Amino acid sequence: DVKVTQSSRYLVKRTGEKVFLECVQDMDHENMFWYRQDPGLGLRLIYFSYDVKMKEKGDIPEGYSVSREKKERFSLILESASTNQTSMYLCASSLGLGGRRPDTQYFGPGTRLTVL
Amino acid sequence: LAKTTQPISMDSYEGQEVNITCSHNNIATNDYITWYQQFPSQGPRFIIQGYKTKVTNEVASLFIPADRKSSTLSLPRVSLSDTAVYYCLVGDNFGNEKLTFGTGTRLTIIP
Repeated sequence: DVKVTQSSRYLVKRTGEKVFLECVQDMDHENMFWYRQDPGLGLRLIYFSYDVKMKEKGDIPEGYSVSREKKERFSLILESASTNQTSMYLCASSLGLGGRRPDTQYFGPGTRLTVL
Repeated sequence: LAKTTQPISMDSYEGQEVNITCSHNNIATNDYITWYQQFPSQGPRFIIQGYKTKVTNEVASLFIPADRKSSTLSLPRVSLSDTAVYYCLVGDNFGNEKLTFGTGTRLTIIP
């Protein structure tokens, strides 16, 4: 079974703090993703990575950056946390088979971040 | 990316068959239709994927008409544990791994 783990289930930070959310997958997947989920807005893609050191902006990258130094690890960074970044953050990975058919994404349990 | 429209919520009784329809009028030739399920306090998980006609697995069936402008996820004989949010996604893999999840359909199973 694919396992995607996230460093924390719950996190409370203060406005202006630098926040690191870590995600690790154990199945040698090429692709990794960060989403945020808010009531009434569904899941929105922040960033994704299709290879080590590669990253692509998703739909809402403002206020976030990412790092992928190793294949299994994808970090989401909030340089200066703000209250409007209070949300559920979900990490996912997919195999990266290529071809036309979308890969299955495997999700972690999520990190609920509260910024005070 | 093709936009999808699905009901915000649905209720059903245990033991019934549940059909959730997703509209995707501007689906492209290369697009696949994929459904995910999300339980409370968990990340989404893949249920089923198809391109045309009918696909069935141990969890659900997916019906796609010839024009592919809509699709229907069918859950046979639902139980309380099927209470979840169901997302319909449309897209392909070419040049971009992005898929748009939207807000999904909140399915509540009533005892």
